[in-house]
Amino acid sequence: DAKTTQPPSMDCAEGRAANLPCNHSTISGNEYVYWYRQIHSQGPQYIIHGLKNNETNEMASLIITEDRKSSTLILPHATLRDTAVYYCIGPISGSARQLTFGSGTQLTVLP
Amino acid sequence: DVKVTQSSRYLVKRTGEKVFLECVQDMDHENMFWYRQDPGLGLRLIYFSYDVKMKEKGDIPEGYSVSREKKERFSLILESASTNQTSMYLCASSLRPGNTEAFFGQGTRLTVV
Repeated sequence: DAKTTQPPSMDCAEGRAANLPCNHSTISGNEYVYWYRQIHSQGPQYIIHGLKNNETNEMASLIITEDRKSSTLILPHATLRDTAVYYCIGPISGSARQLTFGSGTQLTVLP
Repeated sequence: DVKVTQSSRYLVKRTGEKVFLECVQDMDHENMFWYRQDPGLGLRLIYFSYDVKMKEKGDIPEGYSVSREKKERFSLILESASTNQTSMYLCASSLRPGNTEAFFGQGTRLTVV
């Protein structure tokens, strides 16, 4: 059963911030949330992950709510090349072996 | 950079054939995964392995088996290929259990005729 909920699709104007939400209401303890994206015809690519604090790297920012039951991936200045399916995966414990993907959000960046 | 290499990008096989899909990673990762991806169904986990000779079933293991004789290599086997196994197959690896920053191969598009 899916442990995360994401909208099936979103649009964003080029140059604007893309905010992709994810609900992971069953998260508990020391469980992480991971984000990947898959550009058409390529394998998924890791973006970022977080536990409880907000995280930022060269690709994106991850904002996790205080109760940790939801998070938002932010692409600060979306480009056409950011058009992809974005997967929020979790909760993942520190000893988890399995990596299961849900349906993801199809983000389309519009010119 | 981590490299995950799948042996073929495109493959066409006949129904009933035994098919081997090979995956090699070069970063000494403990975890390896096999997925299939179909339109409208997303990525589905077939099998994964967290150590040499260790394997665990994913969500859709029926009709598949796997082999991990060496740490760097994880093979997916279709014992008797069927047309409903026509799909894109993706291999991935990650450093260790709990670290799921996974790296994916380029995929193998298998067509069973």
